[in-house]
Amino acid sequence: DGGITQSPKYLFRKEGQNVTLSCEQNLNHDAMYWYRQDPGQGLRLIYYSQIVNDFQKGDIAEGYSVSREKKESFPLTVTSAQKNPTAFYLCASSIYSKIGGMVGNQPQHFGDGTRLSIL
Amino acid sequence: EDQVTQSPEALRLQEGESSSLNCSYTVSGLRGLFWYRQDPGKGPEFLFTLYSAGEEKEKERLKATLTKKESFLHITAPKPEDSATYLCAVHSDYKLSFGAGTTVTVRA
Repeated sequence: DGGITQSPKYLFRKEGQNVTLSCEQNLNHDAMYWYRQDPGQGLRLIYYSQIVNDFQKGDIAEGYSVSREKKESFPLTVTSAQKNPTAFYLCASSIYSKIGGMVGNQPQHFGDGTRLSIL
Repeated sequence: EDQVTQSPEALRLQEGESSSLNCSYTVSGLRGLFWYRQDPGKGPEFLFTLYSAGEEKEKERLKATLTKKESFLHITAPKPEDSATYLCAVHSDYKLSFGAGTTVTVRA
């Protein structure tokens, strides 16, 4: 079955530590995204990538970094510079299309998330 | 800046009691409105995409409608398995902007 796999399901971070969240997809999607979900708030975009070896900052990129070396993989690193990392992190992917210079409006499909907490 | 507001925040229904969820939005150039269902501890599951005012989509007991300023998700004769958080998102330019969701609880 095609889908998005996030690991680990739970992660704990110590002070001053960087941690990396894994996201793998076998849907052959070009575009991938990272969101953060906090209680009572909508999902907020951290980073997105429309093509391999290219990625863009979202609305809350400070304290995070990403890489996109392979089409199917988009890992997220939560650095020690992120002072409030406790949240539910969601990875998504979608077909990427650009028609007439505008990004296509394809639905995004999500993994089952990683819950990050501070030790 | 794009804004998405969902109401109510929480909805408790008796099994079989139909109701509607609201998603009002402000966006510069709507290029799609999406509804998702999210179960506790899981990622959102895609339900519908609506592209233009007047459009309607249905799936089992769920029906989504769209106007120029808002969308409704109607739940007809809900069952306990319809209990979940329902998220609305609007697509403009490169990204989705999400509302905070409506948590629906259906009691048997």
